[in-house]
Amino acid sequence: SQTIHQWPATLVQPVGSPLSLECTVEGTSNPNLYWYRQAAGRGLQLLFYSVGIGQISSEVPQNLSASRPQDRQFILSSKKLLLSDSGFYLCAWSRRGETNTEAFFGQGTRLTVV
Amino acid sequence: QQQVKQSPQSLIVQKGGIPIINCAYENTAFDYFPWYQQFPGKGPALLIAIRPDVSEKKEGRFTISFNKSAKQFSLHIMDSQPGDSATYFCAANGSYNTDKLIFGTGTRLQVFP
Repeated sequence: SQTIHQWPATLVQPVGSPLSLECTVEGTSNPNLYWYRQAAGRGLQLLFYSVGIGQISSEVPQNLSASRPQDRQFILSSKKLLLSDSGFYLCAWSRRGETNTEAFFGQGTRLTVV
Repeated sequence: QQQVKQSPQSLIVQKGGIPIINCAYENTAFDYFPWYQQFPGKGPALLIAIRPDVSEKKEGRFTISFNKSAKQFSLHIMDSQPGDSATYFCAANGSYNTDKLIFGTGTRLQVFP
């Protein structure tokens, strides 16, 4: 069976510090990978998605970047965090090329920038 | 055109009531419409999904109604229970771009005993 791991679960970071959130998927190959941010009252905002190693699509301009160094690993980073980067970050995966495919989400990381 | 508009933002019902959450889309190329349920502190999980070749799909107490001409779809929860209290998201994508789901803004549902 497939599983998705996302860590850490919670993180408190000072403004200006770097960020690295990691997500890994097990039990499948060639997944589509996604990073979403959920801010209070603003739903799920797609930040980045990737259809393969080294292939990253950015949905919104921001202070964050993403990388996919391995097929089942997706990393969200920032060089200098802003207060506005606080939120609930979710990693997800789906099977590539299927329209009616389910998106499987990780448990999320609650990031608080202070 | 890539948006999915969801309403209401929040909903409060009593146990046994039938909350209805509505979504609308513009892109006629969308052909897959799932609903996700999210409990506090957890990631969303697929609840039920529909394709536009049917007007209704029912799974247990959850029903999706789909109106292709109006480009609208809705989630109905029959005999709602306090355990249904969660945030619900509608979403859409199409065979032209299977890479990503477009999510609505979410509806926070509270069901009181």
